[in-house]
Amino acid sequence: DAGVTQSPTHLIKTRGQHVTLRCSPISGHKSVSWYQQVLGQGPQFIFQYYEKEERGRGNFPDRFSARQFPNYSSELNVNALLLGDSALYLCASSRVVGNEKLFFGSGTQLSVL
Amino acid sequence: DQQVKQNSPSLSVQEGRISILNCDYTNSMFDYFLWYKKYPAEGPTFLISISSIKDKNEDGRFTVFLNKSAKHLSLHIVPSQPGDSAVYFCAASFGGGGNNRLAFGKGNQVVVIP
Repeated sequence: DAGVTQSPTHLIKTRGQHVTLRCSPISGHKSVSWYQQVLGQGPQFIFQYYEKEERGRGNFPDRFSARQFPNYSSELNVNALLLGDSALYLCASSRVVGNEKLFFGSGTQLSVL
Repeated sequence: DQQVKQNSPSLSVQEGRISILNCDYTNSMFDYFLWYKKYPAEGPTFLISISSIKDKNEDGRFTVFLNKSAKHLSLHIVPSQPGDSAVYFCAASFGGGGNNRLAFGKGNQVVVIP
C-alpha cells in the first residue's frame, strides 16, 4: 500500500506569493495533519482535519489555511509568503483522531526568496 | 513555549552498545507519548509509543520507559546498529482534545559508529 504522498517535493517562491501544498493520506485513513519543520527544530503542528472538519489549529497566522476533500486528501495554502515561511512542510495521516500514531509523508521543502 | 524538551542534541555510540535518549515534558495533560526517527530528506518514521497508563513498552531492540511523576521518558536502543544513525524525536499528545495533535521536541542526532 502507498504511504502518505505529498506534492511537490520542492518549491521555490518569492515573498508575497501564494503557495498550495497537496497531500494524499494512506488508504483508509480519514485524518490529515499538517506540520511545519524549520531547520534544527521539531515539527510544529499547523492543522488537523478529520472527516473534512477542522479538529485542531496550531499557533500560526491566518495566512495559513487548509481543507480536506471528500476523498480525504488535503491542501495547505499559505498566502503572502514571508522569508520565515521557508521550511519543510510535513503531512501526516491517521485512521482516526485520539491517541494514535501518525504516519508522515516525506514533506515539501519550501524556500521563500 | 516548548512543552517537550530533548537535551543533549547529539549522541555518538559504538555499534552493539546501548543508546539512551531522554525526553522531558511539562504538560501534565499529555497521556500518549511517541518516538519517531528521521533520516535526511524523509519524513519522520514511527518507532514506538507508550500510553500514560504504562511505564514500559518494548518492541524488539527498542524500549520506552515513562516516569509520570518526573514527567520524563526515555528510549533505549539495544544493540545499536549503524542503520540507527538518524535524528530521533520525542512527541506527546492529549487524547481528550478531540484530535491527535503532537507536540515534538527538537530532536537528538544519533551517530552509531561501526
